[in-house]
Amino acid sequence: DVKVTQSSRYLVKRTGEKVFLECVQDMDHENMFWYRQDPGLGLRLIYFSYDVKMKEKGDIPEGYSVSREKKERFSLILESASTNQTSMYLCASQTSGSYEQYFGPGTRLTVT
Amino acid sequence: QKEVEQDPGPLSVPEGAIVSLNCTYSNSAFQYFMWYRQYSRKGPELLMYTYSSGNKEDGRFTAQVDKSSKYISLFIRDSQPSDSATYLCGIIQGAQKLVFGQGTRLTINP
Repeated sequence: DVKVTQSSRYLVKRTGEKVFLECVQDMDHENMFWYRQDPGLGLRLIYFSYDVKMKEKGDIPEGYSVSREKKERFSLILESASTNQTSMYLCASQTSGSYEQYFGPGTRLTVT
Repeated sequence: QKEVEQDPGPLSVPEGAIVSLNCTYSNSAFQYFMWYRQYSRKGPELLMYTYSSGNKEDGRFTAQVDKSSKYISLFIRDSQPSDSATYLCGIIQGAQKLVFGQGTRLTINP
């Protein structure tokens, strides 16, 4: 079974803090994605990566950056957390050529 | 206008009812259509996908696509309390990028 794990289920941070969200997949997938999920807005793509050290902006990249130094790990970075970044963050992975994305359980981030 | 529109509900029906979940989309270039199910406090998981107009069945679930109307549906027959979840439609927009609807929260009452 594909497993996508995220470093924390719940996280509380203060405004202005630098926040790291980690995602690890164990199926040697090439593609990895970061989404945020908000009520009434669904899942919105923040960043994605098709290979190590590659990254592409999604629909809402402002205020975020990413890092992919190893194939199995994709990190989302909030350089200076703000209250409007309070959300559920979901990581997904996908093998190249497939349409199915496998999601992690999510990290609920609260910025106060 | 959002690329994919989905009624967020919530939708509450009695056990055994037929459930219809729907999405519309704006870009006729979309080719692949997917339904994800998300249980509370879990990540979404793929339920079904299709790439052509018409129906696709999998047990109690039927995915329907009408490309001429840019309309996709998911039908659940003989709904069970275990079907209670949020259902998300997702459409592939080139290069494997998924665009999601808002999600419909469904509750099946015993």
